[in-house]
Amino acid sequence: DVKVTQSSRYLVKRTGEKVFLECVQDMDHENMFWYRQDPGLGLRLIYFSYDVKMKEKGDIPEGYSVSREKKERFSLILESASTNQTSMYLCASSPLMNTEAFFGQGTRLTVV
Amino acid sequence: GESVGLHLPTLSVQEGDNSIINCAYSNSASDYFIWYKQESGKGPQFIIDIRSNMDKRQGQRVTVLLNKTVKHLSLQIAATQPGDSAVYFCAENSKGTSYGKLTFGQGTILTVHP
Repeated sequence: DVKVTQSSRYLVKRTGEKVFLECVQDMDHENMFWYRQDPGLGLRLIYFSYDVKMKEKGDIPEGYSVSREKKERFSLILESASTNQTSMYLCASSPLMNTEAFFGQGTRLTVV
Repeated sequence: GESVGLHLPTLSVQEGDNSIINCAYSNSASDYFIWYKQESGKGPQFIIDIRSNMDKRQGQRVTVLLNKTVKHLSLQIAATQPGDSAVYFCAENSKGTSYGKLTFGQGTILTVHP
């Protein structure tokens, strides 16, 4: 089975802190994604990466950055956390275009 | 921009009934569609997918129907069980979209009563 593992299930951070969300996949997938999920808004793409050191902005990249130094790991960085970044964050990976994406269990981040 | 949306945000059924969850999409270039199930506290799980060269695809107790003429997608769950209670998302990708990006709908909450 494909495994996408997010480092934390729950996080509480203070406004202004730098926050790192880590994601690891074990299936050698090329593509990795970060989504945030908010009630009534579904899943919105923040950033994605199609190869090591490559990244592309998604629909809502403001306030976020990403890092992909190794194929299996994709990190989401909140440079200066704000309360409007309180959300569920979902990491996903997929092998190719037009195939299913496999999701991690999510990280529920609260910024206070 | 293009979007994927759902007709009904909630659906409540009795155990044993068949459930139908609908999804409308607006991007005529969409050529790949997926249904995901998300249980409380978990990430979305793949249920079934369909490509635009097909009208229907069946899995175990689930069927996806694609009507490209009206840009409509539906998920049918046969003999719905309490364990089917979850949020269901449709998602789409298009040939013009790079690297497997999926666009998700808002989700439908399915509640199955015993």
